[in-house]
Amino acid sequence: DGGITQSPKYLFRKEGQNVTLSCEQNLNHDAMYWYRQDPGQGLRLIYYSQIVNDFQKGDIAEGYSVSREKKESFPLTVTSAQKNPTAFYLCASKGGGLYNEQFFGPGTRLTVL
Amino acid sequence: GESVGLHLPTLSVQEGDNSIINCAYSNSASDYFIWYKQESGKGPQFIIDIRSNMDKRQGQRVTVLLNKTVKHLSLQIAATQPGDSAVYFCAENGAYGNKLVFGAGTILRVKS
Repeated sequence: DGGITQSPKYLFRKEGQNVTLSCEQNLNHDAMYWYRQDPGQGLRLIYYSQIVNDFQKGDIAEGYSVSREKKESFPLTVTSAQKNPTAFYLCASKGGGLYNEQFFGPGTRLTVL
Repeated sequence: GESVGLHLPTLSVQEGDNSIINCAYSNSASDYFIWYKQESGKGPQFIIDIRSNMDKRQGQRVTVLLNKTVKHLSLQIAATQPGDSAVYFCAENGAYGNKLVFGAGTILRVKS
């Protein structure tokens, strides 16, 4: 089965702890993205990576960090510096070329207690 | 009818009717547009896309219309079904083409 997997589906953490969200794809896509979604709102871009070992900040990168050591993996760390980390986090990937859609994973709902 | 809620506008339609969801995009340099459907608690799912060299594209039960003059995009769903109930997002590729800019979304509710 080809696709994007995110784990876990639900994640609970105590305030002040860093937490890493997993995103894996076996679509052989070069580009990968992380979005945050708050209840009743749209998607906001946190970080994106167009190629291995390279990534760029999106619109709301503060308090987050990423790495892209392998083509198929793009983990997101939510640090203690992120003031309101409770949200639904979505990972996406995109194949080569400008006119291709992004494929999304099922999402991870992070709740910070 | 259509109303603006606290966060997202909501469109309520009767099962079997046609639905039209509208989106105003922001960047005149955008040349690629996508509609996504998101069911509660799930990731967005691709519905249909269109490039700026077209003004209409049809899929299965869905049609996307693009009006570049007024920077407007619409999604038409024929014979709306209860399974179509979801949040619908439009997205544009913006000035750089390597990332998408998403609209706020519209809630579609289908009444049986």
